[in-house]
Amino acid sequence: QKEVEQDPGPLSVPEGAIVSLNCTYSNSAFQYFMWYRQYSRKGPELLMYTYSSGNKEDGRFTAQVDKSSKYISLFIRDSQPSDSATYLCAMRLNSGYSTLTFGKGTMLLVSP
Amino acid sequence: DGGITQSPKYLFRKEGQNVTLSCEQNLNHDAMYWYRQDPGQGLRLIYYSQIVNDFQKGDIAEGYSVSREKKESFPLTVTSAQKNPTAFYLCASLGVGTYGYTFGSGTRLTVV
Repeated sequence: QKEVEQDPGPLSVPEGAIVSLNCTYSNSAFQYFMWYRQYSRKGPELLMYTYSSGNKEDGRFTAQVDKSSKYISLFIRDSQPSDSATYLCAMRLNSGYSTLTFGKGTMLLVSP
Repeated sequence: DGGITQSPKYLFRKEGQNVTLSCEQNLNHDAMYWYRQDPGQGLRLIYYSQIVNDFQKGDIAEGYSVSREKKESFPLTVTSAQKNPTAFYLCASLGVGTYGYTFGSGTRLTVV
């Protein structure tokens, strides 16, 4: 079983749709959860981060963590063509310098 | 502005050559990381360093070498022993109190 599973997509939606991106993981010791957005041929940029279980909202983006199910989600409301990118989930064990474990990324395409 | 600078953006290597990818950060972050990204394989950790003059192998260190002589700099050498070096290489850093990595813009290495 891979440590982090993420559907590669592509996920195609019309502009204005609500998008749901998800990851599952196997290591219950993960405590910090992140979502990165990566445009083609660019480095990933940190979009959202959460600690332990719960929700966090930032504008059109909401991150959810359910540690009991080992499942994390990123919701994008009112999706825009500029949201078209690959979204990577990432997680790590503690607050030190532990390395991040990444999902393989989901490609999102938002059509006008 | 603080950030990570990777250079060059594109690099071409002949068979049998060693090449060095540059990574410089002015974020005052202690930890630095090198990842390789291939289509369909996600991000794979090559080497990381949590302190000057010390570094550890990641999951795919064979054929690569690094140095960490200064806090700001973490160059990666792709040696001739790396059998399949064509990939997108990403450098990242992590500081005290930060949740996720800050990534550079990447270097695309192609063997010709």
